[in-house]
Amino acid sequence: AQSVTQPDIHITVSEGASLELRCNYSYGATPYLFWYVQSPGQGLQLLLKYFSGDTLVQGIKGFEAEFKRSQSSFNLRKPSVHWSDAAEYFCAVSGGYNKLIFGAGTRLAVHP
Amino acid sequence: ETGVTQSPTHLIKTRGQQVTLRCSSQSGHNTVSWYQQALGQGPQFIFQYYREEENGRGNFPPRFSGLQFPNYSSELNVNALELDDSALYLCASSPERTGGSYEQYFGPGTRLTVT
Repeated sequence: AQSVTQPDIHITVSEGASLELRCNYSYGATPYLFWYVQSPGQGLQLLLKYFSGDTLVQGIKGFEAEFKRSQSSFNLRKPSVHWSDAAEYFCAVSGGYNKLIFGAGTRLAVHP
Repeated sequence: ETGVTQSPTHLIKTRGQQVTLRCSSQSGHNTVSWYQQALGQGPQFIFQYYREEENGRGNFPPRFSGLQFPNYSSELNVNALELDDSALYLCASSPERTGGSYEQYFGPGTRLTVT
């Protein structure tokens, strides 16, 4: 069955520090992978996506993610975190046309 | 370009009642998906509509139903509300499907509280 695991429920980093959010997926074929961000009380904003090609993808707000097929991972990274990055981050896999399967999310807190 | 909009923003209903939530898709998008996000969880797929036909359904009972209109806007209807239906309901639209890969654009959601 298709699934997404985000092992870290909460992460706290200092402003200016680097960030890596982990995501592991289970999917039989080549996955389409996404990272979304959700600020409190709001909908989801697409940060970046991987469909094929270069395994390092760039997104908005200075985020990037690397697809590693051998590890079934799609980790999100940012070299220097800003206080405005505090939010909840969701990794998702598309099983095809029909639906996105989301992980449980990682809540990011940023200390000044 | 107008993004995905949803109405109402918040809603409070009593157990057993029925509710209708509305979604206007982003301009040029003909596919609409609905998700339920319970507190502290990731969104769960309810169903998807493509050109006014249901095009896939998640693990939700039949009392969750939907419609898509010719202008690609959509409704989510929930009958016989239960306390566990309290959640943020998200609508997402996407453009014409090409090659099986597409991205979904989400609205701000409707917060439903069932008492």
